Amino acid sequence: DAGVTQSPTHLIKTRGQQVTLRCSPISGHKSVSWYQQVLGQGPQFIFQYYEKEERGRGNFPDRFSARQFPNYSSELNVNALLLGDSALYLCASSVDTLNTEAFFGQGTRLTVV
Amino acid sequence: AQKITQTQPGMFVQEKEAVTLDCTYDTSDQSYGLFWYKQPSSGEMIFLIYQGSYDEQNATEGRYSLNFQKARKSANLVISASQLGDSAMYFCAMREIYNNNDMRFGAGTRLTVKP
Repeated sequence: DAGVTQSPTHLIKTRGQQVTLRCSPISGHKSVSWYQQVLGQGPQFIFQYYEKEERGRGNFPDRFSARQFPNYSSELNVNALLLGDSALYLCASSVDTLNTEAFFGQGTRLTVV
Repeated sequence: AQKITQTQPGMFVQEKEAVTLDCTYDTSDQSYGLFWYKQPSSGEMIFLIYQGSYDEQNATEGRYSLNFQKARKSANLVISASQLGDSAMYFCAMREIYNNNDMRFGAGTRLTVKP
């Protein structure tokens, strides 16, 4: 079975632009979470989606938004990019919101210049 | 407030020896889960082991074991028989089941295995 897949793997954007990151969970997993990992730090929780509904939101500005599709894949959108948005964006999938295991994708490395 | 604390920015261990990576956490919830992940330089977070707050026995997965001391709010990872491929960043994380359901990560420990 395929693991969690994220696209693209690398991305370079200019300040003020918008970006969309994509995540496909493991087959059978209905929950997707997004994390931002700035260089040298642990990941920070952004969103959790389950059955296409938002179930959790971290302390991020409204420039960050996400959605989950009927096939449980997910997109993370970031508007009006800032230099500080440069980070590794990780997607994690699990069977449900209370599952004991969460599996991560390889991440999307976003660089804002 | 910082909920996960990993006090060892870097650790060194000789190949084939055991190593303990420290993690303490802070929560007032009764229902929570504790996780350890390995992050190689490629960036992917690799799930290693999970401990539920109600689990009475310490979790084990192959060479990984979690030393869970609930009263001390400690969840140390023990890696036995270290291998060169174990060199990576290691993150401790906690999920409070009924609190926004997010997973909080520590700052990580960089483990280097020496041949």
